[in-house]
Amino acid sequence: GAVVSQHPSRVICKSGTSVKIECRSLDFQATTMFWYRQFPKKSLMLMATSNEGSKATYEQGVEKDKFLINHASLTLSTLTVTSAHPEDSSFYICSARPDRGSNQPQHFGDGTRLSIL
Amino acid sequence: DQQVKQNSPSLSVQEGRISILNCDYTNSMFDYFLWYKKYPAEGPTFLISISSIKDKNEDGRFTVFLNKSAKHLSLHIVPSQPGDSAVYFCAATVPPGAGNNRKLIWGLGTSLAVNP
Repeated sequence: GAVVSQHPSRVICKSGTSVKIECRSLDFQATTMFWYRQFPKKSLMLMATSNEGSKATYEQGVEKDKFLINHASLTLSTLTVTSAHPEDSSFYICSARPDRGSNQPQHFGDGTRLSIL
Repeated sequence: DQQVKQNSPSLSVQEGRISILNCDYTNSMFDYFLWYKKYPAEGPTFLISISSIKDKNEDGRFTVFLNKSAKHLSLHIVPSQPGDSAVYFCAATVPPGAGNNRKLIWGLGTSLAVNP
């Protein structure tokens, strides 16, 4: 099946640090990638949608200057948490889908556990 | 406002029996529904989907039933196996338009435990 690789799987860093998370689609070209955040015992919360070559679309309440998304190629999207603080600690998951606007299922990475001290 | 609802946070069944996970939705514009399975500290894995024009879709041990008039769908797993123990998420999507990119609207998940 489709494979999406997310790196790193775990990050522990000090408050004020910026953290970059990579999401790669390994065996298909991902026109659309999604970034989610999951709090303990909660559902996945969509943060933003990125389409290759254009600006990301952020969900209401998500600070675009805080969570920078770049989707420069059809196989790579990055999420940078800028000047991270303890409240940014969470489980971040990316997903990718081959076609924009299609009903093909999204394929997920294994997530990144971010812990800000 | 939770448009996709999974009212049972957890379910426990015996190995070999049927597991039935339920999902209700409120948005009549949803035209595609998906079930994902998630293990701790991993991303969700796609299981099965169904279009709103169908009422049943089957794939091996997994069957999804859709009742549009009741705005209800269910995932049946039979026979259940211990390896099926995970959190199951129901998700739905509306037709593409106005740049919505067919984003998924998620339920809160149901934790399934299959006991040997």
